[in-house]
Amino acid sequence: QKEVEQDPGPLSVPEGAIVSLNCTYSNSAFQYFMWYRQYSRKGPELLMYTYSSGNKEDGRFTAQVDKSSKYISLFIRDSQPSDSATYLCASTSGGYQKVTFGTGTKLQVIP
Amino acid sequence: GAGVSQSPSNKVTEKGKDVELRCDPISGHTALYWYRQSLGQGLEFLIYFQGNSAPDKSGLPSDRFSAERTGGSVSTLTIQRTQQEDSAVYLCASSSRMGSYNEQFFGPGTRLTVL
Repeated sequence: QKEVEQDPGPLSVPEGAIVSLNCTYSNSAFQYFMWYRQYSRKGPELLMYTYSSGNKEDGRFTAQVDKSSKYISLFIRDSQPSDSATYLCASTSGGYQKVTFGTGTKLQVIP
Repeated sequence: GAGVSQSPSNKVTEKGKDVELRCDPISGHTALYWYRQSLGQGLEFLIYFQGNSAPDKSGLPSDRFSAERTGGSVSTLTIQRTQQEDSAVYLCASSSRMGSYNEQFFGPGTRLTVL
């Protein structure tokens, strides 16, 4: 079993839809939870990160972590064609500990 | 400022040949990471450098893989006697300490194809 599990999709939604992306993890030592966005033939870029349980909002993006169920979510409101990319969830115990990534979910937002 | 750069961007090689992949981290970043990304496999951790030393090389898949970092800056990942299963995108990331969380900044990757 991988430490971070993510549905690979692909996920196809119409422009303006609310998108929900989800991951589960198994390592109880994980304290930081990140979402990266990766465009085709580019390196991943950090969207946002959350420490421990709770919600974090940044514009159209909301990240949620539920440590009791080991569940990580990313919501995208009013999705745009420019949001079409692969979204990777990731976790780490912090500091310089290695980051463990999910396999990524490919999202396509159709105009 | 300049981000993480990697070279070459693409590399095609024949099975059995050695290859060297280069990473130039963001200036001042003390930590450097190598990952491998295969289709449908996500990012697979290979090795982590703090300065010039590698406290965690647990992800290197075999002794054909090695990496070094010099001057606390540039890093080279070497794959000896390449095999077809080594075909993947090799990503490098660097980070500096930001509180208790270290955001990793990724380069564009080197796409390796072993024929």
